[in-house]
Amino acid sequence: DAGVTQSPTHLIKTRGQQVTLRCSPKSGHDTVSWYQQALGQGPQFIFQYYEEEERQRGNFPDRFSGHQFPNYSSELNVNALLLGDSALYLCASSIGRSSYEQYFGPGTRLTVT
Amino acid sequence: TQLLEQSPQFLSIQEGENLTVYCNSSSVFSSLQWYRQEPGEGPVLLVTVVTGGEVKKLKRLTFQFGDARKDSSLHITAAQPGDTGLYLCAGVGARTDDKIIFGKGTRLHILP
Repeated sequence: DAGVTQSPTHLIKTRGQQVTLRCSPKSGHDTVSWYQQALGQGPQFIFQYYEEEERQRGNFPDRFSGHQFPNYSSELNVNALLLGDSALYLCASSIGRSSYEQYFGPGTRLTVT
Repeated sequence: TQLLEQSPQFLSIQEGENLTVYCNSSSVFSSLQWYRQEPGEGPVLLVTVVTGGEVKKLKRLTFQFGDARKDSSLHITAAQPGDTGLYLCAGVGARTDDKIIFGKGTRLHILP
């Protein structure tokens, strides 16, 4: 039973560029949430996708957007990258939009130079 | 704004010792979770507590939710090197539109 997978593992981008991160949820899970974890901090909730729609959003600017596909996989897009966007981006999956019994992927380490 | 404060930030103890780490807030939470995160990996859910005063045990780990549902503690008995990691607490507010929030974590290092 495959857990949550994320790609790529590491990524280096330049300020102003755009990036797309990908997540495949655990088998049987239909909800995907994205988090940003800066160095030395706990994860910060970006948004949650359920039934291909954004259901909840944290305090992140519109430069952060996402998408969920019919197979429940998801993408996180960040436009106009800033140095402060450097972080570990975590994807978590669960069953149903109200459940916080989440399984996290290993994350994508994004470095913006 | 809801905040979860974890203490201590860092803890380094000898194998076999007992320890307690704390997660505190001025806000009420409908549920509170504890995760462990190891380097290069995502957090792994250890436990969810939902009732004020609730105590849950997971082998040598004991989790308690405060009576007022504003705080929680994690106690580890006879710590082992395998317990090393970042322990995160996360809470979901009492309102339906509340989002999950995480504390900054306690980094625990168990010396063999």
